[in-house]
Amino acid sequence: DAGVIQSPRHEVTEMGQEVTLRCKPISGHDYLFWYRQTMMRGLELLIYFNNNVPIDDSGMPEDRFSAKMPNASFSTLKIQPSEPRDSAVYFCASSPTGGSYGYTFGSGTRLTVV
Amino acid sequence: KNEVEQSPQNLTAQEGEFITINCSYSVGISALHWLQQHPGGGIVSLFMLSSGKKKHGRLIATINIQEKHSSLHITASHPRDSAVYICAVLPRNGGDTGNQFYFGTGTSLTVIP
Repeated sequence: DAGVIQSPRHEVTEMGQEVTLRCKPISGHDYLFWYRQTMMRGLELLIYFNNNVPIDDSGMPEDRFSAKMPNASFSTLKIQPSEPRDSAVYFCASSPTGGSYGYTFGSGTRLTVV
Repeated sequence: KNEVEQSPQNLTAQEGEFITINCSYSVGISALHWLQQHPGGGIVSLFMLSSGKKKHGRLIATINIQEKHSSLHITASHPRDSAVYICAVLPRNGGDTGNQFYFGTGTSLTVIP
């Protein structure tokens, strides 16, 4: 298995533009997590899915952020409109059980909003 | 309030030294992960612990559930071990969202040749 695959690796965009981050979890993993990592706040959980269904999105900072999982092999995190304070590394992770084992991170997307 | 505290925040070692990174947490947990993040940014899960001790190559992780403490040890450290090491705990009750890890702020390790 190729692991959790995220794209793009780097994204630079102008303030106000829409940004879409993509994630392909490991096949057979029922849980998918989106995290944001900043120097100030470290790693934060934004939202997670179980069997393609969003379970809790209380970590999503505001309405500009949305996430979807249309099928078991694909998820997107969208920011519209983007702002400079959204600049961070966004990680996707998947797990077969929700975290007790088999937890695997993607390589992350480094987002810079100018 | 940080549920997970790591120490030290920064650590510089000479190649070959024995290294210990500590993690203390304040909640009952069902699992603890040690994560490694290299300068390129990718995150790798090194260990998942719920009790006792695990060893993988030069890395050893221990956990004391009663004391709410875990340590990550690196024997015969090497420059390629230079990375940020993050402790992450999964609360027994699932945390605020029902399935949420609490993360330490990380320990930045630099191993000098």
